[in-house]
Amino acid sequence: GAVVSQHPSRVICKSGTSVKIECRSLDFQATTMFWYRQFPKQSLMLMATSNEGSKATYEQGVEKDKFLINHASLTLSTLTVTSAHPEDSSFYICSARDLGMSNQPQHFGDGTRLSIL
Amino acid sequence: AQKITQTQPGMFVQEKEAVTLDCTYDTSDPSYGLFWYKQPSSGEMIFLIYQGSYDQQNATEGRYSLNFQKARKSANLVISASQLGDSAMYFCAMREATTTDSWGKFQFGAGTQVVVTP
Repeated sequence: GAVVSQHPSRVICKSGTSVKIECRSLDFQATTMFWYRQFPKQSLMLMATSNEGSKATYEQGVEKDKFLINHASLTLSTLTVTSAHPEDSSFYICSARDLGMSNQPQHFGDGTRLSIL
Repeated sequence: AQKITQTQPGMFVQEKEAVTLDCTYDTSDPSYGLFWYKQPSSGEMIFLIYQGSYDQQNATEGRYSLNFQKARKSANLVISASQLGDSAMYFCAMREATTTDSWGKFQFGAGTQVVVTP
């Protein structure tokens, strides 16, 4: 089945560091990828929709300059948390969908646990 | 407005018993898809089952079945013969097909934490 690879799985870094998270579709082309943030015991919150070859669409309240998204190819989207601070600590998870049909589920990466000290 | 509602924050179920997880949704779009995902404590999202708005029959996948009641806008997940490995958070999600912009974007419910006991 379709696989999405997300890397790294865990990051611990100092405040002020920028952190890049990669999301790759391994056996299908993904024109659209989604980035979510999840706090403990809560649901997934959509941050942005990443479109190959164009600018990402951010959800209301998500800072574009803080969370930079690049979707440079049909198999790779990256999320960069710039100048991260402790309040950015969270679980970030990406997903991708294969082209077209409504019954195709989103395929999720395994997520990245980001801890900012 | 909340489009997906899961009213059960947590449930305990005994091993080998069946459990029903509630999900109601709100949409005016005639074309939509409903999905259930399982999220164990390790964090990955595992796709379980899909129901399309035009599907005549309830979806089934192994021990998972979806009780789809379109008029009531509910899509409850039934897990039969629960196993210890079923302990996880379960999310109901909906995808509408109104416009090109919204196609593919999921709305997730708050989730239900299921704990299976021996």
